[in-house]
Amino acid sequence: QSLLAQPPSASGTPGQRVTISCSGSSSNIGSNYVYWYHQLPGTAPKLLIFSTYQRASGVPDRFSGSKSGTSASLAISGLRSEDEAEYYCATWDDSVSGPVFGGGTKLTVL
Amino acid sequence: EVTLVESGGGLVQPGGSLRLSCVASGFSFNDFEMNWVRQAPGKGLEWISYISHSGSTIFYAASVRGRFTVSRDNTENSLHLQMDGLRVEDTALYYCTRGGWRQPHFDYWGQGAPVTVSS
Repeated sequence: QSLLAQPPSASGTPGQRVTISCSGSSSNIGSNYVYWYHQLPGTAPKLLIFSTYQRASGVPDRFSGSKSGTSASLAISGLRSEDEAEYYCATWDDSVSGPVFGGGTKLTVL
Repeated sequence: EVTLVESGGGLVQPGGSLRLSCVASGFSFNDFEMNWVRQAPGKGLEWISYISHSGSTIFYAASVRGRFTVSRDNTENSLHLQMDGLRVEDTALYYCTRGGWRQPHFDYWGQGAPVTVSS
C-alpha cells in the first residue's frame, strides 16, 4: 500500500484537459516538494515536473503541477495521443525518511 | 548526452546473489549523487538505495536493508548494487538513476536491468 494514493486510471479525448491527483499526508506532500514522472510502455520513467511546479527540460507548458495541503495534481491541457502513458507522483516522506512514489495512474487518450 | 547503462541482471534462485552495474557517461559522474529504483512486473516504482558523490553516505529502503549493498567507482564512472539473500519479491526491473537525497529528483534513468528470483 503506497503512502501516496493515485487513481489507477484516467482518460480524456484529444484537446481536453485532464488532471491526475496524488493524495498524501502531512509527513509527505504536506511538507515536501512533489515530483511527477511519466512512463511509456516498455521504457524508463522520465521526469516531468520537479519541485511541485517546475517543468523539466523539454516538457511542454501543457503540463503543470500544483499542490494544496496534502494533495497534489498534475494537469495536462490540450491532450494528445502521445500523452497516453503511466503517470507517477513522488515526494519525500519524513516518517519513512526516504523518497516514496504513488501507485501510478494509467492515462488513456480516447 | 547523458547515458546510464545497466548490466548484470538475470535469473537467480531464492537466497542467491546478483551484482548489478551501471556505467555512466556524458556527465561528470563524481559530481553527482546516484540512486537505484526498481519496478516489479506490472507494478509501480520503489526507491531502494542512495549513494553520495564520494560514496561516504549511503541509505537503503527498509525492504532491502541488510541484504543489498550499493557502491560506486568514480574512476570508472560506475555504480554497483550487490544483491544478496534474494527473495521472490525482489523480482523487478532495476533502474540506475541520477539524483540527490531528500528529494526524488531523478533526472536521468537507465534502461533497467531485469532481475528474476525464482526456483
